[in-house]
Amino acid sequence: GAGVSQSPSNKVTEKGKDVELRCDPISGHTALYWYRQSLGQGLEFLIYFQGNSAPDKSGLPSDRFSAERTGGSVSTLTIQRTQQEDSAVYLCASTALRGETQYFGPGTRLLVL
Amino acid sequence: EDQVTQSPEALRLQEGESSSLNCSYTVSGLRGLFWYRQDPGKGPEFLFTLYSAGEEKEKERLKATLTKKESFLHITAPKPEDSATYLCAVQPSGSARQLTFGSGTQLTVLP
Repeated sequence: GAGVSQSPSNKVTEKGKDVELRCDPISGHTALYWYRQSLGQGLEFLIYFQGNSAPDKSGLPSDRFSAERTGGSVSTLTIQRTQQEDSAVYLCASTALRGETQYFGPGTRLLVL
Repeated sequence: EDQVTQSPEALRLQEGESSSLNCSYTVSGLRGLFWYRQDPGKGPEFLFTLYSAGEEKEKERLKATLTKKESFLHITAPKPEDSATYLCAVQPSGSARQLTFGSGTQLTVLP
């Protein structure tokens, strides 16, 4: 497809379990972002990858959160030992090399019981 | 710290009733201000980018304007299909590229 894709669309997990969320950016886009959208709140920045540079992890809320980007394309966001407050929609966006516009995927809706 | 405040939180309009949404921002230096539309259960859809005060952009029934402190999204003669949450975000100048978002305005257009 032409857009950003994310999987799974929905994820229900139990408190304390680990989850992995996947993002496939637009082909050829060099920058990739993860955001979190909690109910009734704005989007919150988590982490940013640009090419082969070290990622900007300044938005990660705790050391339970980590992300990697393999081969400059697909990214995985991992949440370890999930807590109920991690329940949110996790959104991924990508940007072309010299562009500023971030194009978003449909999101993964995470529910931690 | 960059901040974005959107108002109103919710807006109900009759079809054809024009109005404006406000986005007030504080940022040390502005690289760009972005407007997105978000439908329920979907990711944000890009609408406009504005870069400097005085700039305006239009798309169908929407027009976005920018001043040094705020942006407006004007909706002219809205239709029910314009119902969505409209998000405003700023990107600072400098090396950081992440967007700081407002909480959005939920627009409902009644037929």
